[in-house]
Amino acid sequence: GDSVTQMEGPVTLSEEAFLTINCTYTATGYPSLFWYVQYPGEGLQLLLKATKADDKGSNKGFEATYRKETTSFHLEKGSVQVSDSAVYFCALSGAAGNKLTFGGGTRVLVKP
Amino acid sequence: GAVVSQHPSRVICKSGTSVKIECRSLDFQATTMFWYRQFPKKSLMLMATSNEGSKATYEQGVEKDKFLINHASLTLSTLTVTSAHPEDSSFYICSALHRDRINEKLFFGSGTQLSVL
Repeated sequence: GDSVTQMEGPVTLSEEAFLTINCTYTATGYPSLFWYVQYPGEGLQLLLKATKADDKGSNKGFEATYRKETTSFHLEKGSVQVSDSAVYFCALSGAAGNKLTFGGGTRVLVKP
Repeated sequence: GAVVSQHPSRVICKSGTSVKIECRSLDFQATTMFWYRQFPKKSLMLMATSNEGSKATYEQGVEKDKFLINHASLTLSTLTVTSAHPEDSSFYICSALHRDRINEKLFFGSGTQLSVL
């Protein structure tokens, strides 16, 4: 079945540091890929998505490129802020449409 | 933007009691909602798909009689954990599917931390 693997946290960074969160997936066919973010006390929010190979999703300075050859969708941000502290989830939706398969989440803590 | 409210955010109960969790779409109608469960340091696992006016569709391995889902209106789905036991302690999250003429988008509640003593 479909699965998503992402790096375990917590990831602790200083402000303005470069952030990468690795995500790899296993799926049949051509899934859509997502990154969700959960800020403290809030629900998951869609951060960005990509629906086909080589697509790049971007939002709020974050980027992720759909790499079919490496089955990866790594999340990057060039200069993080304290407000980026959150839990980040990589996810995919496959043949089942809107059903999402999530990774385990990566907690990111940005210190001033 | 669309908002999904999940209540309660945290509940502690005794073993053998039942707990109801509500998921409301506040400013849109959702014919489809999803219920997830998250174990510590694990992925969110889809438990069931809740369809307004019909029976929920459960994922393999999820006990229907244990986790009762009711989607009686277009803005409310409830998950009832019946006769809860310590192994049911977990973080439960709902999401609601928002559809318009152009696309579909999922909105998530903030989750419910259930602790069964």
